[in-house]
Amino acid sequence: DVKVTQSSRYLVKRTGEKVFLECVQDMDHENMFWYRQDPGLGLRLIYFSYDVKMKEKGDIPEGYSVSREKKERFSLILESASTNQTSMYLCASSLGTPNEKLFFGSGTQLSVL
Amino acid sequence: EDQVTQSPEALRLQEGESSSLNCSYTVSGLRGLFWYRQDPGKGPEFLFTLYSAGEEKEKERLKATLTKKESFLHITAPKPEDSATYLCAVQGGSNYKLTFGKGTLLTVNP
Repeated sequence: DVKVTQSSRYLVKRTGEKVFLECVQDMDHENMFWYRQDPGLGLRLIYFSYDVKMKEKGDIPEGYSVSREKKERFSLILESASTNQTSMYLCASSLGTPNEKLFFGSGTQLSVL
Repeated sequence: EDQVTQSPEALRLQEGESSSLNCSYTVSGLRGLFWYRQDPGKGPEFLFTLYSAGEEKEKERLKATLTKKESFLHITAPKPEDSATYLCAVQGGSNYKLTFGKGTLLTVNP
């Protein structure tokens, strides 16, 4: 089975801190995604990557950046954390074809105080 | 812009009481419509992909159907362990990304 592992289950940070969320997949998937999930808003795409060192903005990229130096690892970076970035962050991966299903990690619940 | 609307927002059923969840969508060039199940505190888990109108897929007590404008997730004789949030998502055009609805929270009482 595909495994998508997110480095932290819960994370508490202070306003203004630089925050790194790490995600690793073990099935040689081409595509990787970062979503955030908020009550009443559903899942919203922040960034995705379809190849190493390639990235594209999703629907809500402001305040975030990403890094994909290796195929299996996709990092989400909050340059200067703010309270409105308190959320559940979900990483996902999929094969290289466009209509392949996404496999999700268990999520990181980030609280910014 | 792709859009997905799920209804109802929440549904409470008695064990054995069959029902359906709705997913209405607008997309430019549907590549796939996806159903996921999400348990509290966990990531979404894949259930089905539907590719074209008229297609149906089944898994245990769940059956997903697709028309040109909407999809239904039918739940037959549900059990308490079917309680979860069910998410619908679409993929259109040449994108790799999925656009999700807000989900339906299903509660099945024993």
